[in-house]
Amino acid sequence: GAGVSQSPRYKVAKRGQDVALRCDPISGHVSLFWYQQALGQGPEFLTYFQNEAQLDKSGLPSDRFFAERPEGSVSTLKIQRTQQEDSAVYLCASSYQPTDTEAFFGQGTRLTVV
Amino acid sequence: AQSVTQPDIHITVSEGASLELRCNYSYGATPYLFWYVQSPGQGLQLLLKYFSGDTLVQGIKGFEAEFKRSQSSFNLRKPSVHWSDAAEYFCAVGAWGNNNDMRFGAGTRLTVKP
Repeated sequence: GAGVSQSPRYKVAKRGQDVALRCDPISGHVSLFWYQQALGQGPEFLTYFQNEAQLDKSGLPSDRFFAERPEGSVSTLKIQRTQQEDSAVYLCASSYQPTDTEAFFGQGTRLTVV
Repeated sequence: AQSVTQPDIHITVSEGASLELRCNYSYGATPYLFWYVQSPGQGLQLLLKYFSGDTLVQGIKGFEAEFKRSQSSFNLRKPSVHWSDAAEYFCAVGAWGNNNDMRFGAGTRLTVKP
């Protein structure tokens, strides 16, 4: 596609519900990143994929967060048993090569847990 | 560990006036520095980046930034602000790549008065 696409754009979840957020990177991009952006804050790193390999998941805040990219293209970020503190915008970014000096961001998914 | 500080949470300028957004960083080696802009409901768009060489970097939309190693700063400037520049601006330090170590500041929100 022309850019990084994320869906849904908005998600309202009841506390305790599981959610799945999708990221479609730019076609052919090897690297994929997930960031969490709380209200009034800058993006915080969650996890990084190179193709299908999850090379860094040090930013995932708890074991309720899980990300996958099984075929090296589309990625899904799953949050189990959502809590209010999970409310944030989740941003996905991709770059063509790991050594690229720029990554392209999607519009994000705004998750609100009520 | 690297970190980024954006001292100004919110700045208001009149249309046509000059703009300077401050960014201070902490990084163990020669930093890669970035400025991103985020409009409401949008992802992050890269304005400019610095890796080495000339310390004055030109970006898109008429923005420029100056790297000052002695002050650990990378301030963003624009000589004449347009109403469409109203957005959130994020400074970032680090490098995209295998060892993801990008760090974003908390952002500065720019309001443009008519």
